[in-house]
Amino acid sequence: SQTIHQWPATLVQPVGSPLSLECTVEGTSNPNLYWYRQAAGRGLQLLFYSVGIGQISSEVPQNLSASRPQDRQFILSSKKLLLSDSGFYLCAWSPGTGDMGYTFGSGTRLTVV
Amino acid sequence: DQQVKQNSPSLSVQEGRISILNCDYTNSMFDYFLWYKKYPAEGPTFLISISSIKDKNEDGRFTVFLNKSAKHLSLHIVPSQPGDSAVYFCAASSEFSGNTPLVFGKGTRLSVIA
Repeated sequence: SQTIHQWPATLVQPVGSPLSLECTVEGTSNPNLYWYRQAAGRGLQLLFYSVGIGQISSEVPQNLSASRPQDRQFILSSKKLLLSDSGFYLCAWSPGTGDMGYTFGSGTRLTVV
Repeated sequence: DQQVKQNSPSLSVQEGRISILNCDYTNSMFDYFLWYKKYPAEGPTFLISISSIKDKNEDGRFTVFLNKSAKHLSLHIVPSQPGDSAVYFCAASSEFSGNTPLVFGKGTRLSVIA
């Protein structure tokens, strides 16, 4: 069966520090991968998605970036965090072959102080 | 421009009664709709979906209704249970192939009171 792992679960980082959140999927190949953020009162905001290795689409211009170095690995990064980057970050995957079912990871609560 | 709107941030319902969560969309190209349920500090989980060729889909206590002319869908939960208390997200897609990301609403927080 397919599983998705996202870590860490919680993170407190100072303003200006770097960020690296990792997400991996097991039990499937060539998944579509997504990074979402849930900020207070803003619902689920799509940040990045990828339909293949090295293919990243950015939905929201900001100081975050994403990379997909391997088929089932998706990384969210920042060189310098801002206070406004605080939120609940969610990784998700979908088969991308006529199936819209998304499976989400357990999320990372990021607090920038 | 918000393409998927959930205009009620919160809803309170008594246990055993019906919960009705509403969702409106503006993009007429959307042809597949989903509902997700989210508990605090967890990722959302898939609840139920409907394609534009249908106007109703039922799964146990959960039923989704789609009114394409009004660009409106609703999720009915009958009977409501305390464990249904969560945030519910409506989502939509214009491409069933799965390569176009889902667009989510802002969510509605449902509280079922015992």
